Amino acid sequence: SQKIEQNSEALNIQEGKTATLTCNYTNYSPAYLQWYRQDPGRGPVFLLLIRENEKEKRKERLKVTFDTTLKQSLFHITASQPADSATYLCALDMVVSSASKIIFGSGTRLSIRP
Amino acid sequence: NAGVTQTPKFQVLKTGQSMTLQCAQDMNHNSMYWYRQDPGMGLRLIYYSASEGTTDKGEVPNGYNVSRLNKREFSLRLESAAPSQTSVYFCASSELGGTQETQYFGPGTRLLVL
Repeated sequence: SQKIEQNSEALNIQEGKTATLTCNYTNYSPAYLQWYRQDPGRGPVFLLLIRENEKEKRKERLKVTFDTTLKQSLFHITASQPADSATYLCALDMVVSSASKIIFGSGTRLSIRP
Repeated sequence: NAGVTQTPKFQVLKTGQSMTLQCAQDMNHNSMYWYRQDPGMGLRLIYYSASEGTTDKGEVPNGYNVSRLNKREFSLRLESAAPSQTSVYFCASSELGGTQETQYFGPGTRLLVL
């Protein structure tokens, strides 16, 4: 079955640096991959979607790449700020009982220290 | 727009008690979902409703039932709560249920089963 792995449980970096989070998956390649942000005590909030035929997508300080050969997506936050501290979840589509579903990784907790 | 709302925010149950978690969305979305989130496990799909009048099992449906009351409301029922059902429950909705769509999440219900 499809499995998603997000790099470390926690990532701690200095303000101003680029944070890079990893999402790896097994088995077949998804058609879409999404990234969500989740703050403590709140529900996830959508950030970006990238399609399998797109290598890169940007939104302000965020950049997502999608490498179907490596079965990996990288999520970058440039010029990181303490306000970027949160848990980031990747999600991808898979087929379950002949129906397409979205499955989520367990997330990476990012802390940006001033 | 309130988006996705959930009640209650927090609940403590004793083993064997029953309860219903309520979810409503005001975005006129067709599809609604129930997830549970446990530490290190990510979001796991319990049940979903692709459209009004239909419901289907997700990854972890055992011990739960759902009702799609109308287009706005999707409830999750625990008939006989067990400690293993201690978790944070999130309701989500999307416009048509496609895997390329954004899912909009509620704030969550924190459930503790003693």
